[in-house]
Amino acid sequence: GQQLNQSPQSMFIQEGEDVSMNCTSSSIFNTWLWYKQEPGEGPVLLIALYKAGELTSNGRLTAQFGITRKDSFLNISASIPSDVGIYFCAGQSGNAGNMLTFGGGTRLMVKP
Amino acid sequence: NAGVTQTPKFQVLKTGQSMTLQCAQDMNHEYMSWYRQDPGMGLRLIHYSVGAGITDQGEVPNGYNVSRSTTEDFPLRLLSAAPSQTSVYFCASSYHYEQYFGPGTRLTVT
Repeated sequence: GQQLNQSPQSMFIQEGEDVSMNCTSSSIFNTWLWYKQEPGEGPVLLIALYKAGELTSNGRLTAQFGITRKDSFLNISASIPSDVGIYFCAGQSGNAGNMLTFGGGTRLMVKP
Repeated sequence: NAGVTQTPKFQVLKTGQSMTLQCAQDMNHEYMSWYRQDPGMGLRLIHYSVGAGITDQGEVPNGYNVSRSTTEDFPLRLLSAAPSQTSVYFCASSYHYEQYFGPGTRLTVT
C-alpha cells in the first residue's frame, strides 16, 4: 500500500526556536493534512492543503503542499511549551474515496 | 455539537472475549472510519463507511467487523480478542477529506 515517510521521528528543541518537519511519498497525493495529537487525546486537524504549491498558515503554523504532489512540509515558528505533542501528516490520493494514509508522526518536545 | 464520541475510554479483555467499541457523531457526516494506533506506526485504517448501509475494509481489517445502520453510529466489533489487538482505537468522521477524530478507546487484551 501507499506509505508516507515522515521526518524527523522526534525533535527536542528550546522554547522560541523554529521547527520544520516533512512528509514524503513515492505516490502522488491530491490532499495533504497535518494533525497534532496530545497525550491521551485523538488527533486534531491543524491545516488542510488541496493544491500543489499551496502555502497555508494557521497562527504560528505554516504548511506547504509540494509542487511534485509527493511531499508536504510543516513549520512552527517561535515554539512554545504547549506545542508539545505528536504531529502527523496524512495524504489522500483520490483513488480511495476519503481514505487517508498517515505518516508515522514526529514527536516534538519543547524545553522551556 | 459533541463532535465524535467514543465509548468506553478504557477496556481490558481476556483472549477470546468479544466486545463492541461504540462511535457516534452528530455532524451528519457521511464518511466514518476506524483506525488503530500502535507505537511508532502511526494510524492504520481498519474499516470505513461512506454512508449508512455501506462499509468496506481498510488496511488491517482481520479480526474486526463493522456495520452502519444509521448516519450517526459506526460500531466496531472484536469477534474473538487476541493480544495482537492491544492498541488505541480511534473513530473519525468527515464530510470531505478533513477527518475529525474521537478521543479514542485504549484496549488491552491479556
